Amino acid sequence: DAGVTQSPTHLIKTRGQHVTLRCSPISGHKSVSWYQQVLGQGPQFIFQYYEKEERGRGNFPDRFSARQFPNYSSELNVNALLLGDSALYLCASSLVPDPGANVLTFGAGSRLTVL
Amino acid sequence: QQQVKQSPQSLIVQKGGISIINCAYENTAFDYFPWYQQFPGKGPALLIAIRPDVSEKKEGRFTISFNKSAKQFSLHIMDSQPGDSATYFCAASKGGYQKVTFGTGTKLQVIP
Repeated sequence: DAGVTQSPTHLIKTRGQHVTLRCSPISGHKSVSWYQQVLGQGPQFIFQYYEKEERGRGNFPDRFSARQFPNYSSELNVNALLLGDSALYLCASSLVPDPGANVLTFGAGSRLTVL
Repeated sequence: QQQVKQSPQSLIVQKGGISIINCAYENTAFDYFPWYQQFPGKGPALLIAIRPDVSEKKEGRFTISFNKSAKQFSLHIMDSQPGDSATYFCAASKGGYQKVTFGTGTKLQVIP
């Protein structure tokens, strides 16, 4: 059974550009979360979607947005990229939203470099 | 606001030794404390987790010790192996909320 898949794996953008990152959850998982992991730091929560609705949002500016599609895949959009947006963007899926109720499975991430 | 503090930042242990990573939290509403293991080029993977009504949980060579009054918890890796070399993150979450709050990570190197 396939795990969480993310695309692209690596990408390079310049300041001011826009980026879209994509995530396919494990089959049967209806909850998708996005995390940002800056080099040398722990992941930071950006968004969670469950049943196509936003269920949680971290402390990120409005330049960050996301959505979940009817097949439960998700995309994360970041507008007006800044150098500080350079990071590994992780997607995690689970059956239900509560991390304590089930295992959160992470993908390998999309490595974004902003020049 | 860093709600989960983790130490040390890096750790070198000889093969067969015990690796100990410590974490402290501030929010008493947290009720689920997982540890994640991350290898280079991979996403974090759940290693072991504990709830605050239990003081210790053991799974194979991995043990979590939990001190609710001190708001501290730690991961012990017994008989550490080179294959355990990875970055370890402690984390915390609270019931009904979606986000997991991660510590800053500990890079463990187990040398032969």
